[in-house]
Amino acid sequence: DTEVTQTPKHLVMGMTNKKSLKCEQHMGHRAMYWYKQKAKKPPELMFVYSYEKLSINESVPSRFSPECPNSSLLNLHLHALQPEDSALYLCASSRSIRAPGRSYEQYFGPGTRLTVT
Amino acid sequence: QKEVEQNSGPLSVPEGAIASLNCTYSDRGSQSFFWYRQYSGKSPELIMFIYSNGDKEDGRFTAQLNKASQYVSLLIRDSQPSDSATYLCAVNKRGSTLGRLYFGRGTQLTVWP
Repeated sequence: DTEVTQTPKHLVMGMTNKKSLKCEQHMGHRAMYWYKQKAKKPPELMFVYSYEKLSINESVPSRFSPECPNSSLLNLHLHALQPEDSALYLCASSRSIRAPGRSYEQYFGPGTRLTVT
Repeated sequence: QKEVEQNSGPLSVPEGAIASLNCTYSDRGSQSFFWYRQYSGKSPELIMFIYSNGDKEDGRFTAQLNKASQYVSLLIRDSQPSDSATYLCAVNKRGSTLGRLYFGRGTQLTVWP
């Protein structure tokens, strides 16, 4: 089973709202990722968690705040977003960050389609 | 030079044909290579991964890796209209920031009946 779940599927929020995106996996994976994807572009890495600790922050604006409460859950807290933040937000997981000599494959969730008005 | 480059397409093939998707990468030390399929409006789905030189087959899909020439390809045999999607190539880099994959811009494939 390679399922990663994300909620909500769609989210519309105003620029003054606070909302959260949730991601869950039950594959025993110890690395979890947030990506942002704009139309006709590849996914852009935002954050990486390894063993519940933040390993990578790709210079993401502070209006995006990640949280990893436990090894199965990953949240992305949103506050004071801009219309240009509208995108598909993808969560992914992998067994670990890195195996000897290679990287583990990453499995994506279905994504949250975010619209900022 | 981009980390990962793909022929952007669009690539159009008739049903039953072989679709060939290509990807080149810049870091000779890369060791992990992935192909994702992404339907319009959906998330990327992992369909193949390859770590060693040569071919890896899974059903109608074959991934081919040539590290000396720094390219990886995906062949889809007996293409079906349901294969119509964007195919993303992703590559790691030796010694890269933990967990990072580098994605190409994707190749849009259309299989017509």
